[in-house]
Amino acid sequence: EPEVTQTPSHQVTQMGQEVILRCVPISNHLYFYWYRQILGQKVEFLVSFYNNEISEKSEIFDDQFSVERPDGSNFTLKIRSTKLEDSAMYFCASKPDRGRGETQYFGPGTRLLVL
Amino acid sequence: AQSVTQLDSQVPVFEEAPVELRCNYSSSVSVYLFWYVQYPNQGLQLLLKYLSGSTLVKGINGFEAEFNKSQTSFHLRKPSVHISDTAEYFCAVSETGNQFYFGTGTSLTVIP
Repeated sequence: EPEVTQTPSHQVTQMGQEVILRCVPISNHLYFYWYRQILGQKVEFLVSFYNNEISEKSEIFDDQFSVERPDGSNFTLKIRSTKLEDSAMYFCASKPDRGRGETQYFGPGTRLLVL
Repeated sequence: AQSVTQLDSQVPVFEEAPVELRCNYSSSVSVYLFWYVQYPNQGLQLLLKYLSGSTLVKGINGFEAEFNKSQTSFHLRKPSVHISDTAEYFCAVSETGNQFYFGTGTSLTVIP
């Protein structure tokens, strides 16, 4: 069964450094998402992406964040200057079309630790 | 914005016993409701979802959930749990299908 994959599974970085989290959505999907979960807290929506542009973003997704689909398969989340509070599990998700009840398929996550 | 509450952060239950994981949401408008499960080192896997129609929804692995509009609840149940059901369970709500709102998760531990 096709699945969303994410790399790396774990990332440790120094505060102020840039990180890029990578995701490979399911191949025929058109909508892509990033969520994050700070330890002990809720999974929070960051951004949605469709047709090579951001379609929706949350207040968390400020100027230090950016997303890109550099080729036909990868979907990346870049954090330009990491802060301690960016430490979290980051989930990528995708879905095939714009149906409101359509399931989002999630990857296994990347655990980011900012020191 | 939506708010999803999973009151039970940890639920221990003996094998073959029934379990109910509670989920309440805040919205009074039409929403779509989901339960996801996360096994260790894996992604969030869809268990079941409610879009419309029958309020009792059946999912994978013998789980079911009941949508109660008046109580704004979507509790997950299983009549007899197995060791393999030990995992983290997340309730999620969506109005638009784009942004999902999640609860904090419930850690289910099945005791042999």
